[in-house]
Parts: sequence; C-alpha cells; structure tokens
Amino acid sequence: QKEVEQDPGPLSVPEGAIVSLNCTYSNSAFQYFMWYRQYSRKGPELLMYTYSSGNKEDGRFTAQVDKSSKYISLFIRDSQPSDSATYLCAIQGAGANNLFFGTGTRLTVIP
Amino acid sequence: EAGVVQSPRYKIIEKKQPVAFWCNPISGHNTLYWYLQNLGQGPELLIRYENEEAVDDSQLPKDRFSAERLKGVDSTLKIQPAELGDSAVYLCASSLTAGELFFGEGSRLTVL
Repeated sequence: QKEVEQDPGPLSVPEGAIVSLNCTYSNSAFQYFMWYRQYSRKGPELLMYTYSSGNKEDGRFTAQVDKSSKYISLFIRDSQPSDSATYLCAIQGAGANNLFFGTGTRLTVIP
Repeated sequence: EAGVVQSPRYKIIEKKQPVAFWCNPISGHNTLYWYLQNLGQGPELLIRYENEEAVDDSQLPKDRFSAERLKGVDSTLKIQPAELGDSAVYLCASSLTAGELFFGEGSRLTVL
C-alpha cells in the first residue's frame, strides 16, 4: 500500500468554478501536509503547508486536513486558466525529511 | 535569489551509455534531494543529503546509479549503464526547513 493515494484525474472545469482536490494517506504518524503545483515541464513548487487538522487559507486556496480520516484536500476558489497544472499532495512524518508524494491530479481550467 | 539549477535540461542517449546530471542548490540549503519522476507519477526519492553525507539512499539502485555531493554544495547523479526504463525526469531539490522543498526544473532523460 502506498503511503499516499491521489486521484490522477484529469479534471477539467470552467473558469470561475470551485475545484476540490483530495488525497488519502495510510499512516497516522504523518504530521506535515503539503500541496505542490507543477506546471508542464517545470519542477514542483510549494503551494500550501499545513501541520494540524483544520483549514489553512491563502488567497483563493484553502488546504484542509482531517487527521481522523487521514484525508487532505485542496480547494481552489474562482479558478483561473493560470491554475491549469498538476497538483501534488505530499506528506511527511515527524523528524523525517523525506516527503511522500501522491501521483498528482492534472487540472485544466477552461476559459 | 537564484533557485535550484539543474543541467542538462534534456538528454538523449542510447542504452548502455553513461549519463550524468548536475545540481546546484539554493545557497545555504544543507539538505539536497534527488527525485525520480516518471510520466504521470509523483516524484520518488532516490537519495537525500545532509551537507555532504548521504542520509537516505535506500531507494537508489546502487548497481547502476551513483551520486555525490562534494563540499556539501553541488551534487551529481550518474547512471552507468543506462537502461530503457531509466527514461524519466530527474529532479533535484534543496531545503532549509522540513517540508519546504525547492525544486529545480528537472533533467529529462530519454534512453533509446
């Protein structure tokens, strides 16, 4: 069983839609949760970083962690064509520097 | 501030040939990572350095892959000999704090 599972999509939405991206993980010891965005032929870039259960908001992006369900989500409000990219969830255990990445969800926002 | 720099961006070689990738991390970042990313997949760790010490190389196929990080700054990843299945993107990343990795643009390898 992989440490983190992510629906690969692809996902296509019209501009202005609310996007929901999700991952599940297997080990309750994981404590740090990240979302990376990767544009085509580029390296991943950190988008959101959360530690505890609950919500963290940054502009149009909200990261949500539910440790009881081992479920993490990224919501994008008022999606824009520039949001078209692959979104990778990543998790990390306490005291460990290695990240475990999901497979990524490819998102296309249609103008 | 300059980001993580990788070279070459693209490399096409025939199977059984050697290949090397170079990475210059962000200045001051002690932790350096090499990740492998196959098409449609997330990055998978090959090796992690803390300064010049390889602290996690459990996923590095040591029969053909090698890596070094001299003086705790730049790093090279080598494959010899390359196989068809090695075609992928090789990503280098560096970090100062846990979880916040800064990635380079990657080196895309095609093995014919």
